[in-house]
Amino acid sequence: AQRVTQPEKLLSVFKGAPVELKCNYSYSGSPELFWYVQYSRQRLQLLLRHISRESIKGFTADLNKGETSFHLKKPFAQEEDSAMYYCALSGRGSQGNLIFGKGTKLSVKP
Amino acid sequence: DVKVTQSSRYLVKRTGEKVFLECVQDMDHENMFWYRQDPGLGLRLIYFSYDVKMKEKGDIPEGYSVSREKKERFSLILESASTNQTSMYLCASSSPGTSGTYEQFFGPGTRLTVL
Repeated sequence: AQRVTQPEKLLSVFKGAPVELKCNYSYSGSPELFWYVQYSRQRLQLLLRHISRESIKGFTADLNKGETSFHLKKPFAQEEDSAMYYCALSGRGSQGNLIFGKGTKLSVKP
Repeated sequence: DVKVTQSSRYLVKRTGEKVFLECVQDMDHENMFWYRQDPGLGLRLIYFSYDVKMKEKGDIPEGYSVSREKKERFSLILESASTNQTSMYLCASSSPGTSGTYEQFFGPGTRLTVL
């Protein structure tokens, strides 16, 4: 079964601390992995995708096929990073259907 | 800039009423989706559509139907609203990008309350 697991509902860190939002997936094949973010009172938007291997707003995520993980990391959290983060998976040939995790709320304290 | 718009930000309806949620996208995307977003449950796919007049059930289609008469418009219909359908409803659209991957673009959401 295809599944995305985000084990933490809430993650609270202090400004300047490193942050890691965990994401594990279950998929028989080569998935495409994404992180979406929803800031307060804003619409859900794409943060980054594994295929791009890019850093967005200081965040990076590496696909680890051995551990079936796609954790989101940032070395120094900022208050403006406070948001809801969703990990999502798309299977090859699925025409863009996404399977979302339940989300992690990140709170960065001053 | 991709724009996905939803007809209402807030909606209050009574149990048993028929409810229409409208979604329009302006980027000529083939694919459109309806989700509901609930705390602790994340986003759950209700229905999606790959083309005009085509629809596919998602994970939680019970109690919902959809209509896609035009490429840019995807409507979600609650035939007889119930209190357990109180939720935030998100619409999204997508097409394959230059890399071949699909990015979904979301609307602002409609918060529906069923009394």
